[in-house]
Amino acid sequence: GNSVTQMEGPVTLSEEAFLTINCTYTATGYPSLFWYVQYPGEGLQLLLKATKADDKGSNKGFEATYRKETTSFHLEKGSVQVSDSAVYFCALSPLTGGGNKLTFGTGTQLKVEL
Amino acid sequence: GAVVSQHPSWVICKSGTSVKIECRSLDFQATTMFWYRQFPKQSLMLMATSNEGSKATYEQGVEKDKFLINHASLTLSTLTVTSAHPEDSSFYICSAVDRAIPNQETQYFGPGTRLLVL
Repeated sequence: GNSVTQMEGPVTLSEEAFLTINCTYTATGYPSLFWYVQYPGEGLQLLLKATKADDKGSNKGFEATYRKETTSFHLEKGSVQVSDSAVYFCALSPLTGGGNKLTFGTGTQLKVEL
Repeated sequence: GAVVSQHPSWVICKSGTSVKIECRSLDFQATTMFWYRQFPKQSLMLMATSNEGSKATYEQGVEKDKFLINHASLTLSTLTVTSAHPEDSSFYICSAVDRAIPNQETQYFGPGTRLLVL
C-alpha cells in the first residue's frame, strides 16, 4: 500500500537557519505529492505540491522537488522565521486528478526560536 | 477563497450520547468531502470519503454504524458520532475538493472539531 515517512521531530532551529524536513514515500505509479502545514490551533493548509517527477513546488520561501529516483519530496527553506513554527505534513495522492484520498506522514513539528 | 468551516469547534459530551459535526464549504461546491481523525502528535487518519447524494465510503476498520456520514448538499457534510465513548475523544477534521476545477486534487481543510467524551 501507499505510505509516507517523515523525519521525526521536533526540529528546533534558530531564526534564519536553513531548514530541511525529509520525506520519502512508497506508492505505485506516479502519485502527486504535497506538503501541508498546521499552525497552532488551526486546520491544515496546503503549502505546496508537485504532480510529476522533477517538478518543484514552492510557496512562502519553502521548496520541495519531486524526486522519483529516490522517492523523496524533502521540504527546504533557506531562512526560517519564528512564524514558521508549525507542524508540517508530507502527503501523497495516488492518482492525478479527481481529488483522491491523501495518505499523510506522521508530521514534523518545527520550532523556530529567536 | 476555498474556505471550509466546521461546527462546533469543540464539544464535550457524556458517554452514550451522540454528537453531530458539520463541515461546510463556504465559497465553493464540493462533490467530495473527506473525514479524518487526528490523535495527539499523530498524523491524520482518513475515516471516510463522503460523496454528495450517495453513501459514504469508509476506510477499513472504521465502523460505519458508529460514524454516520451524510452529504446532503454540495456544501454540507455531517459526521455523527453515535453512542460516543471516551475512546472516541479525538480531533476530527474534514476536507473538501472544489468541483468547479477539473481534475482538482487539492483538498481544503476545515479547522477541526475537538471532541471530548466524559
